[in-house]
This record gives sequence, structure tokens and C-alpha cells, in this order.
Amino acid sequence: AQKVTQAQTEISVVEKEDVTLDCVYETRDTTYYLFWYKQPPSGELVFLIRRNSFDEQNEISGRYSWNFQKSTSSFNFTITASQVVDSAVYFCALGLTWGGSQGNLIFGKGTKLSVKP
Amino acid sequence: DGGITQSPKYLFRKEGQNVTLSCEQNLNHDAMYWYRQDPGQGLRLIYYSQIVNDFQKGDIAEGYSVSREKKESFPLTVTSAQKNPTAFYLCASSTGTSGRSTDTQYFGPGTRLTVL
Repeated sequence: AQKVTQAQTEISVVEKEDVTLDCVYETRDTTYYLFWYKQPPSGELVFLIRRNSFDEQNEISGRYSWNFQKSTSSFNFTITASQVVDSAVYFCALGLTWGGSQGNLIFGKGTKLSVKP
Repeated sequence: DGGITQSPKYLFRKEGQNVTLSCEQNLNHDAMYWYRQDPGQGLRLIYYSQIVNDFQKGDIAEGYSVSREKKESFPLTVTSAQKNPTAFYLCASSTGTSGRSTDTQYFGPGTRLTVL
């Protein structure tokens, strides 16, 4: 079964705190892609990162970093020195290369992050 | 500016009426998608299209219909057969004719549909 689990439904932090959003995925495919999207209150999903299953290097982009560990099927997202503008719902998604899910990004249920000033 | 536009932003419909949601992109992307989002839930795929005049059902296609007559346009019709249509609808597009979910999908601003 293909599945993405974001166990944290809501997280609340104070500005400048670091915060990690967890993502655990399930698939039997050896080739797949993982994504993170941000959904601010306006509703539009904003693409953050795309990662293929063969690239386990961690990635850093400004205050954002991602930790991909195939051994634990996790693709966690850390925001360093959080800001109020980071308040949003964050979605992790799994993209597969074959079968009935070819057109389908499999989304987790999202984690709502609230950053308070 | 390149991007995806959806209209209207808010839509109200009476029970028993069909309604069409617009999605237009000027990114020159081949593949387009429609997702439904319910409160506290992730996105679920309704339909996707890899190329003009072709489209495939997603996980929850019942009660919906689409057309793809132009590359840049992928309208979604919510029919009266859709039992619970109140939701947030998101359109997306991606490069590549495969329509693979491994391509990065870029999303529009969404349409919030409410059935009265």
C-alpha cells in the first residue's frame, strides 16, 4: 500500500524557535519521489522541494532543510528560526512511477504550523 | 507572469445544479490535474490529463466530468450526481506528457465550492 503519514496534526511554536515536521511514507517501489508543499491561509499550494529516492543527501535552502532517510522511510522538514510568515499547513507527498497511481501524488493529511510572535 | 489561474475563487451552488470550475495555465505544461481538499484532509485526485483530448479518472471521479480541448485549459464540472460537493478544489499542472506523479506539480489558487 502507498501511504504518507504526517503524525503531527498541529504544531505551535514561538518565533525564532526551530521546528521539525515529520513525514513517513510507505511504498514498495524502489523509484519514487517525495515532495513538500506549503499551503498558506490563502489556499494555494506552494512547491518547496522534490526529491528522488536515489538521492539521500540532505538539502538546505535558507532556513529550510530536509532530512531524507530511506532506512526509516522518512522525509522530515526543519524550519530554523521560524517566522510568523511560516504559519501554514505543510503537506508531504509521494509520487510513484508506475501502476494506477501514475497520475497521482499521494498526500499526507498535513501539519498545521502556527508561529506566534 | 506564468502561472495557473482558477475562477471563481468562491462559488455557491444550489443542490441539483451542475457547476463548472475554470482552470487555465500559461506555463506550457502538458499535464493538468484536479484535486479535491476537505477540511483537515490531504488532497485527493479527481481527474488528470496528460495531453489534449485525453484524460484519466483519479481516485474520486464519480460525480465529476472534465474536458481538455486546449492545452492551457482543463475545466471541471461538478454534476448533481456528486453527493457531497462542498470542498476546496485545486487545479495543478506539470511538464511532461507522461503525467507522471514524479513530475513537480504547480498549483493554482483554488476554488471554494459551497452547496446551499
